[in-house]
Amino acid sequence: AQSVTQPDIHITVSEGASLELRCNYSYGATPYLFWYVQSPGQGLQLLLKYFSGDTLVQGIKGFEAEFKRSQSSFNLRKPSVHWSDAAEYFCAVGARGGADGLTFGKGTHLIIQP
Amino acid sequence: KAGVTQTPRYLIKTRGQQVTLSCSPISGHRSVSWYQQTPGQGLQFLFEYFSETQRNKGNFPGRFSGRQFSNSRSEMNVSTLELGDSALYLCASGPLGTAQETQYFGPGTRLLVL
Repeated sequence: AQSVTQPDIHITVSEGASLELRCNYSYGATPYLFWYVQSPGQGLQLLLKYFSGDTLVQGIKGFEAEFKRSQSSFNLRKPSVHWSDAAEYFCAVGARGGADGLTFGKGTHLIIQP
Repeated sequence: KAGVTQTPRYLIKTRGQQVTLSCSPISGHRSVSWYQQTPGQGLQFLFEYFSETQRNKGNFPGRFSGRQFSNSRSEMNVSTLELGDSALYLCASGPLGTAQETQYFGPGTRLLVL
């Protein structure tokens, strides 16, 4: 079965600084990888996804993520954060074949300092 | 297009009662998935429906059940509620429910069991 680890429960970043959120997965093959964001009182919104091809994926709101097979990682990055980026971020794995839904990490809570 | 809608948004029940939650997917989407979100366990997959048939089920007891109607609207039911069922229940829809397609999440129903 697949699993996802987000090592950082909380991260605090100053507005305008760069951001990197870590995600490591466990899966027998190359999985489908996703990053979702959840703002308070809201559902999940997809930021970006990786299925195959170019390992650097661009998403919405200026986010990007890089798939590194050798490290089983899919880290999320943004060059300059805005106060509106404060939210909970979830990395997720989808199994090829479509069974069992998405497996999510426990999430990283992003705090933006003015 | 209207997004995924979930009703009610908030619910308070007592132990032993049962509850029914409703999800209306995006128009044209045939797949509906349900997830439970708690602070301790994070986001966990409950089940997925496609064309009125349950295709996948997560590791939850039989007290959790669901169904899908011909218009793709879905309901989930929890019988004999326990305190640990207090959670945010999220519904997600997709066109076909394949692993690589984007799932669109609703705002969730927050259930409190007293």
